[in-house]
Amino acid sequence: AQTVTQSQPEMSVQEAETVTLSCTYDTSESDYYLFWYKQPPSRQMILVIRQEAYKQQNATENRFSVNFQKAAKSFSLKISDSQLGDAAMYFCAYRSGGSNYKLTFGKGTLLTVNP
Amino acid sequence: EAGVAQSPRYKIIEKRQSVAFWCNPISGHATLYWYQQILGQGPKLLIQFQNNGVVDDSQLPKDRFSAERLKGVDSTLKIQPAKLEDSAVYLCASSPRGNPYEKLFFGSGTQLSVL
Repeated sequence: AQTVTQSQPEMSVQEAETVTLSCTYDTSESDYYLFWYKQPPSRQMILVIRQEAYKQQNATENRFSVNFQKAAKSFSLKISDSQLGDAAMYFCAYRSGGSNYKLTFGKGTLLTVNP
Repeated sequence: EAGVAQSPRYKIIEKRQSVAFWCNPISGHATLYWYQQILGQGPKLLIQFQNNGVVDDSQLPKDRFSAERLKGVDSTLKIQPAKLEDSAVYLCASSPRGNPYEKLFFGSGTQLSVL
């Protein structure tokens, strides 16, 4: 079974600074997809960014980018120019590209943004 | 575009009682998911529907949990009887086709407290 590990329960960053959230995963598959979801206090999870494993180029979405290291099974999220609205729980997630499409989440990292 | 609707937002019951949660996915979305999120953990998939058929219910405690998706639209998740360890947030999500790269759209969840 696939597992997703987020080793940082909590992180903090100053407004306008950059922060990196770590994620590692364990899989024997070659076809899969990786995601970062954000969960604010409203509880509604929102997709931040996603990456297809067969693509070597790291995904970017405005201030959000990933560092995807397939051999190391690492998928970190970098948030540049942090804003107060970025404060939330961030979950890394893995989804198989095969017949089992179950989305498996890590335990999350609570990000605090200090003004 | 209307989002995923869930109700109720909060529910408090005593152990051994029954409870039901309701979810209305985004119109036209074929795939519907129920996740259980225990405090301090990432969401765990309970059941996944494709239209009104079950795709994955491997982590659903079938002795007490049941779910249905009538006519491939709305869904209800029921717990009978509830245990203390069922205290969690129950998240519903939907996606257009259930493809592995798809973004999931989440509701705001139902927070269940079992006393």
